[in-house]
Amino acid sequence: AQTVTQSQPEMSVQEAETVTLSCTYDTSESDYYLFWYKQPPSRQMILVIRQEAYKQQNATENRFSVNFQKAAKSFSLKISDSQLGDAAMYFCAYSGNYGGATNKLIFGTGTLLAVQP
Amino acid sequence: KAGVTQTPRYLIKTRGQQVTLSCSPISGHRSVSWYQQTPGQGLQFLFEYFSETQRNKGNFPGRFSGRQFSNSRSEMNVSTLELGDSALYLCASSLQGASEQYFGPGTRLTVT
Repeated sequence: AQTVTQSQPEMSVQEAETVTLSCTYDTSESDYYLFWYKQPPSRQMILVIRQEAYKQQNATENRFSVNFQKAAKSFSLKISDSQLGDAAMYFCAYSGNYGGATNKLIFGTGTLLAVQP
Repeated sequence: KAGVTQTPRYLIKTRGQQVTLSCSPISGHRSVSWYQQTPGQGLQFLFEYFSETQRNKGNFPGRFSGRQFSNSRSEMNVSTLELGDSALYLCASSLQGASEQYFGPGTRLTVT
């Protein structure tokens, strides 16, 4: 079975600085997707970034980038120039690539990010 | 384009009752998944529907069921509610063949 582990329950960063959230996963599948979702106090789950396992290039979305290390099964999220609005719970998630047969997401336990002004 | 909508947003029920939650996916999305979020168990997959067929199911008791209609709207039902069913229930939709799922705002269910 696939598992996702987030070992940092809480993190804090100063506004405008950079923070990295860690995620490791375990799978025997060769093709899969990894995601970071953000859940602010409103509880609305927002997709931050997606990585396809077969792509070696790390995904980037504006101030958000990932460091995907497939051999190490590591998938960290870097937030640059942190803003107050980045404060939220961040979830790392895994989905196997079954050719569209299913989209089941397996989530980590989350990292609560606080942004200090 | 409108996002995923869920109704109701908040619900209070008594132990032993049943409840039905509704989810309307983003227009054009035919896959709908349901997740339960609790402080103790985190986010857990309930089930997924595509074209009115359940194509994946999580490890939940039979009291949890769902269905999908021809317009892709989905409902989930929980019968004989237990205190432990108190949770945020999240619905997500996606395009066929796409990996990204887009979530609704959730339904907060409290069982007393």
